[in-house]
Order: sequence, then structure tokens, then C-alpha cells
Amino acid sequence: QKEVEQNSGPLSVPEGAIASLNCTYSDRGSQSFFWYRQYSGKSPELIMFIYSNGDKEDGRFTAQLNKASQYVSLLIRDSQPSDSATYLCAVKGAGGTSYGKLTFGQGTILTVHP
Amino acid sequence: EAQVTQNPRYLITVTGKKLTVTCSQNMNHEYMSWYRQDPGLGLRQIYYSMNVEVTDKGDVPEGYKVSRKEKRNFPLILESPSPNQTSLYFCASSFPGANGYTFGSGTRLTVV
Repeated sequence: QKEVEQNSGPLSVPEGAIASLNCTYSDRGSQSFFWYRQYSGKSPELIMFIYSNGDKEDGRFTAQLNKASQYVSLLIRDSQPSDSATYLCAVKGAGGTSYGKLTFGQGTILTVHP
Repeated sequence: EAQVTQNPRYLITVTGKKLTVTCSQNMNHEYMSWYRQDPGLGLRQIYYSMNVEVTDKGDVPEGYKVSRKEKRNFPLILESPSPNQTSLYFCASSFPGANGYTFGSGTRLTVV
């Protein structure tokens, strides 16, 4: 089982819709969870992080965390064509040699069509 | 401007010719890391460094070397590159416990 798993997609949604991106992780001791956006040929850009169970909202983005189910999601409301990118879920190691290490999922390609 | 600078951005080289990809950050970050990104595999960690003179292997270290002689620099060395090291490479840095990494712009390496 991969440490961090995402549906690779592509996920296609119409402009104005809600895009839902999902991620599961295997290390139950993980404490920090991140969502990065990556445009083609560019470096990953941090858009959300979450530590506690529940929802965290920032503008059109909502991150959701359920540690019991080892599940993280990202909702993008009112999706825009400029949101078309690859979204990377990342999980931070809790300690020891994993301290500070971000483990990434393979990414979900999102396409928002007009 | 706070940033992580990688050089070169693009590199085409031949099998077996030693090369170095440089990485420098101006944020006084202790933690630095190298990742490679391949289609369908996401970002995989090659090596990381917790501080000066402290480095350790990540998930895919074979064929790579690193050094951390100064806090700001973390070069990636390919002693004898092979075609399976053709990839997009990213350097990243952070403070320990920080909210995520700052990434460099990436180096696209092709080994023929």
C-alpha cells in the first residue's frame, strides 16, 4: 500500500462547480497534512494545511481531515479555469527519521472547463 | 525576496558524465530536501538534510549524492548519470515543524 494515495484523475468539472479531491494515508501517527497546487512545468505551491480533525476554510478552498479514517480532502468551490492544475496531497512525518519529511501522493489532475 | 534557487533549469547530458545540480536558499532554513518527480509517481524524496553536515537518505537515493557544508547550499550530485535518472528535480527547504516547504523552480534533467 502506498503511504499517500490519491485518485490520479483526471477530474473534470464545469466552471462554477465544486471540485472534490481526496487523499488517504497509511501512517496513523501523521500529524500535519498539506495540499499543493502545481501548474504544468512549475513548482508545487502550498495552498492549504490542516492539523486538526474537521474543516478548515480559506477563501474558495476547504480542507477536511478525518484522522480516524486516515482521510484528507480538498474542496474547491466556484471552480475557475485557472484552478486547472495538478493537486498534490502531502503528509508530514511525526518523528524520528521521518521528522520534517513530506510524503506526497501521486497527484490528481483537475480540469475546469468553461 | 525569500526563495530557493536551483541551477540549471534545464540540462541534457550523456550517460556517465558527472553533474551537479545546485540549490541555494536565503531563508536560513535548517531543513533541505531533494525530490524527483516522474509521471504517475508523484514527488519522491531522494535525500534530505536536517542541518549542516547532517544528511540522510530518502526513498530513492540510489545513484545520487549530496553534501551540506553550508546552511544555505545543498547540491545534488550524480556521479555517473543513467537514462533512468531523466526526471524533473526539485529542491525544497523549511524550518523544522514549519507549515510545508518552499520549493525551487525545478531542474529538468535528460540523460541520453
